Amino acid sequence: DVKVTQSSRYLVKRTGEKVFLECVQDMDHENMFWYRQDPGLGLRLIYFSYDVKMKEKGDIPEGYSVSREKKERFSLILESASTNQTSMYLCASHPLAPKGETQYFGPGTRLLVL
Amino acid sequence: GNSVTQTEGPVTLSEEAFLTINCTYTATGYPSLFWYVQYPGEGLQLLLKATKADDKGSNKGFEATYRKETTSFHLEKGSVQVSDSAVYFCALGNSGGSNYKLTFGKGTLLTVNP
Repeated sequence: DVKVTQSSRYLVKRTGEKVFLECVQDMDHENMFWYRQDPGLGLRLIYFSYDVKMKEKGDIPEGYSVSREKKERFSLILESASTNQTSMYLCASHPLAPKGETQYFGPGTRLLVL
Repeated sequence: GNSVTQTEGPVTLSEEAFLTINCTYTATGYPSLFWYVQYPGEGLQLLLKATKADDKGSNKGFEATYRKETTSFHLEKGSVQVSDSAVYFCALGNSGGSNYKLTFGKGTLLTVNP
């Protein structure tokens, strides 16, 4: 069974802290994604990566960075957390394939920044 | 650019009622279309998909038909159950390969009462 795991289900951090969200997939997928989910806004793409050490900005990259040192792991970094980054963060992966392939999602990390 | 518009929730139904959640899209080319479902406390999982015009996706009693002429992909179920209570997201995928990304609608919260 395919699996995407995220390091934490819930996190509470203070303003200004550096925050790391980790995502691991066991499907040998090339593409990995970070989204944030907010009520009334749906899912918005923060960053994605289509290969090790490769990354591209999504729709809302400001305040975030990412790291992909190994194919199975994609990390989202909040360099200096702010209260407006309180949100649900979802990781997903997807194989390099013709269109129509499914994205597989992790369970999400609910981050509260105080 | 690509965009997805879906029924604004919340939608509340009684058990065994008929469900329709509307989804229309704007895209260039020939996107793939998806419905994802998010049960409480979980990540998103694929419900059904269609990759070309007139395709019908179906799963767990849900159906949606890819209508190119009306740029729509409406989700239907003939008789909903309490266990169908969840958030439903319509999404389109722009192309295959390394540039593959999904564009999501804002989500529709469905509550089914016994």
